[in-house]
Order: sequence, then structure tokens, then C-alpha cells
Amino acid sequence: DAGVTQSPTHLIKTRGQQVTLRCSPISGHKSVSWYQQVLGQGPQFIFQYYEKEERGRGNFPDRFSARQFPNYSSELNVNALLLGDSALYLCASSWETGFPEAFFGQGTRLTVV
Amino acid sequence: ELKVEQNPLFLSMQEGKNYTIYCNYSTTSDRLYWYRQDPGKSLESLFVLLSNGAVKQEGRLMASLDTKARLSTLHITAAVHDLSATYFCAVDNNNDMRFGAGTRLTVKP
Repeated sequence: DAGVTQSPTHLIKTRGQQVTLRCSPISGHKSVSWYQQVLGQGPQFIFQYYEKEERGRGNFPDRFSARQFPNYSSELNVNALLLGDSALYLCASSWETGFPEAFFGQGTRLTVV
Repeated sequence: ELKVEQNPLFLSMQEGKNYTIYCNYSTTSDRLYWYRQDPGKSLESLFVLLSNGAVKQEGRLMASLDTKARLSTLHITAAVHDLSATYFCAVDNNNDMRFGAGTRLTVKP
């Protein structure tokens, strides 16, 4: 069985641009969560989606948005990129909401220049 | 606001030695997680602790949870080099998962 897959693996963007990151959960998993991990720090929770509905939101500005599709894949969008958005963006999937056990993808390394 | 604190943040130990990593959290939670992260890699789930007094063991790692003290421990027994990594605890608070800052463990021969 394939694990959680994220694309792209690496990305370089310019300040002010917009970016879309993609995540495909493990087959059968209905919940997807997004995290931002700045180098040297722990992951910070951005969003959780379950059955296409937002179930949780971390302390991030409105420039960050996400959605989940009928096949449970998900996209994270970040508008008006700032240098401080440079980070590893991790997607995790689980069977249900409430994080019973989350499996993480390899992440997308975003660099904003 | 939920806060999760780990200590130590950096740990250098010799092979064969034992040590404990501590994870304190500030509000009531029913679930605590331990993850491992190798440099440049994603997070690997180690343990999910769901109730007070829960203890789980896998190889040289053992995790426990005391919900009354809001404390979890990750005990390392007879460390080996392969355990070198960063270890994170995380707490679920109403669909908001908070991670500690991580403990960077280096096991030396």
C-alpha cells in the first residue's frame, strides 16, 4: 500500500507569489492534516479536514487555505508568500478526525526568496 | 492555550546507556503521541498513548503517560547509534495537535 504522498517535493517561489501543495492520503483514510515545520522546530498545526469539511485550524493567517476533495486528497494554498513561509510542509492522514494515529508524508520543502 | 514542553532539547549519550526524555503539557488531553524524525525526513509514528497509566514498549523505547501530572516520558534503554534522531511528543487538544520543540538525540560509540 502506498503511504501518504505529497507533491512537489521541493519548490522555490518569490515573495508575493502564490503556491499550491498537494497531498494524497493513504487509501481508506478520510482525514488529512497539514503542518508547517520551520528548520529546527517542531511541526505547527495548520488545518485538519475530514470528509471534505474543515475540522480544525491552527493559528495561521488567512493567507493559508486548504480544501479536501471527494477522493480525500487535499491541497494547501498559501497566498502572498513571505520569506517566513519557507519551511517543510507536512501532510498527515488518518482514518478519522481526532488524530487516532497519523501517518506523515515526506513533505514539501518550500523556499521563498 | 495548550503548550507542550520537552526536555532536554539536546541529548548526547553513549551507547549502552539509559536515559529519559520528558514531555509536559499544559491542559487536559486524552491523547499523546511520540514521533521520530531523521534529518531531512518526515515523521515516523512511534507510540500513541490514549489513557492515564498507559505504557507502550517497542524495542529499546518505552513510553508512558500520566494524565494527572500532564507528563509523558520516553525511556531509552541501552542506547544504540541507530536511535540517533529527533524525537517529538505531541498532544491532541480538540482537533488541534501541538508538538513539542523536539529532543535531538545523538548516540555516540
